[in-house]
Amino acid sequence: AQSVTQLDSQVPVFEEAPVELRCNYSSSVSVYLFWYVQYPNQGLQLLLKYLSGSTLVKGINGFEAEFNKSQTSFHLRKPSVHISDTAEYFCAVCAGTSYDKVIFGPGTSLSVIP
Amino acid sequence: KAGVTQTPRYLIKTRGQQVTLSCSPISGHRSVSWYQQTPGQGLQFLFEYFSETQRNKGNFPGRFSGRQFSNSRSEMNVSTLELGDSALYLCASSLSGGYNEQFFGPGTRLTVL
Repeated sequence: AQSVTQLDSQVPVFEEAPVELRCNYSSSVSVYLFWYVQYPNQGLQLLLKYLSGSTLVKGINGFEAEFNKSQTSFHLRKPSVHISDTAEYFCAVCAGTSYDKVIFGPGTSLSVIP
Repeated sequence: KAGVTQTPRYLIKTRGQQVTLSCSPISGHRSVSWYQQTPGQGLQFLFEYFSETQRNKGNFPGRFSGRQFSNSRSEMNVSTLELGDSALYLCASSLSGGYNEQFFGPGTRLTVL
């Protein structure tokens, strides 16, 4: 079975500072990895995904993530955050090719302080 | 292109009642999935419909059911509501499932009293 851990439930950061949101997973098989963002009163939006190839993945809104197989991690980073980045961020892993195989992490609430 | 729409946005029901939620996918999308989001359990997959057939199902009791119409619109029904069913119910559509990106609607906030 797969599982996802997001170690930080809340991350406050000042505007224009860098941020890293941590995601670790466990799985006995190869997985595919995703980061989603959820703004208040909205659904989820895909930020980026890792299926194969380069371990550094670039997504929308200036975010990027690096897949580290040996550390089973997929941390999300942004070099300079904006107020509009305040949202809930979910890491997800998938060990198959269908949505019922997707396991979501508990989420990290990012608060950008002006 | 219009996004995924869900109606109603908010619902208040009492225990024992049943409820039907509606989801209209993005035009051309044939896969519709439903998720339940709660503070305690997080995001959990309910089921996926593709071409009017349930293709995948999560680990939820039979009180939770759904269907998809020929125009890809989908409905989710919960019968005999329990307090624990209070949640944000999210619908997501994609072209055909698999690794095609899912586009989520804003959700329906269900409160069971």
